[in-house]
Amino acid sequence: DSGVTQTPKHLITATGQRVTLRCSPRSGDLSVYWYQQSLDQGLQFLIQYYNGEERAKGNILERFSAQQFPDLHSELNLSSLELGDSALYFCASSVTGSRAGEQFFGPGTRLTVL
Amino acid sequence: SQELEQSPQSLIVQEGKNLTINCTSSKTLYGLYWYKQKYGEGLIFLMMLQKGGEEKSHEKITAKLDEKKQQSSLHITASQPSHAGIYLCGADTRNYGQNFVFGPGTRLSVLP
Repeated sequence: DSGVTQTPKHLITATGQRVTLRCSPRSGDLSVYWYQQSLDQGLQFLIQYYNGEERAKGNILERFSAQQFPDLHSELNLSSLELGDSALYFCASSVTGSRAGEQFFGPGTRLTVL
Repeated sequence: SQELEQSPQSLIVQEGKNLTINCTSSKTLYGLYWYKQKYGEGLIFLMMLQKGGEEKSHEKITAKLDEKKQQSSLHITASQPSHAGIYLCGADTRNYGQNFVFGPGTRLSVLP
């Protein structure tokens, strides 16, 4: 158990819909990272937040947005969902805001868009 | 496109055998990380390498980063079924214009 929690575990929705994925980092970790993992694209870095502020952006679509709240939990919002958005979405956390260092991954949310 | 390449793509070995997985970058790496993933689960951090020529070991797993900091290898000695999974290398890639990328992974199966 990494100490990072993600909810829900599974999510099934339809195209065009909007969903919110939630992540609680390990106690004491200030950074939260979001990743998307699919069979064809592999593991892709989406975005990083550090202590409430956006720190780095990766391959995140404009239809996707994220935020980190004062209690440090984070939410990833996916809107106008398409079939290709079906994937495993992972959240990870780390103590520091720099990109170096060990990241602790949550168990993931499996999103299926029908 | 994959900035990090891994080889082999998959590997099947008999329990007790040694094996090596490679991770290659066309650019200098400022931090190389090895993770293990059980199918459909989150990644587990194994090791981090930052200096050219650096080598780290944990139990039966050894990772090295070459002097040019463009290639890393992960070596497992006397493999066990518990080593089975997907091994991914990840890198701090500030000179890729992104921040953190992962290789495509190497799927390891260990036959008892």
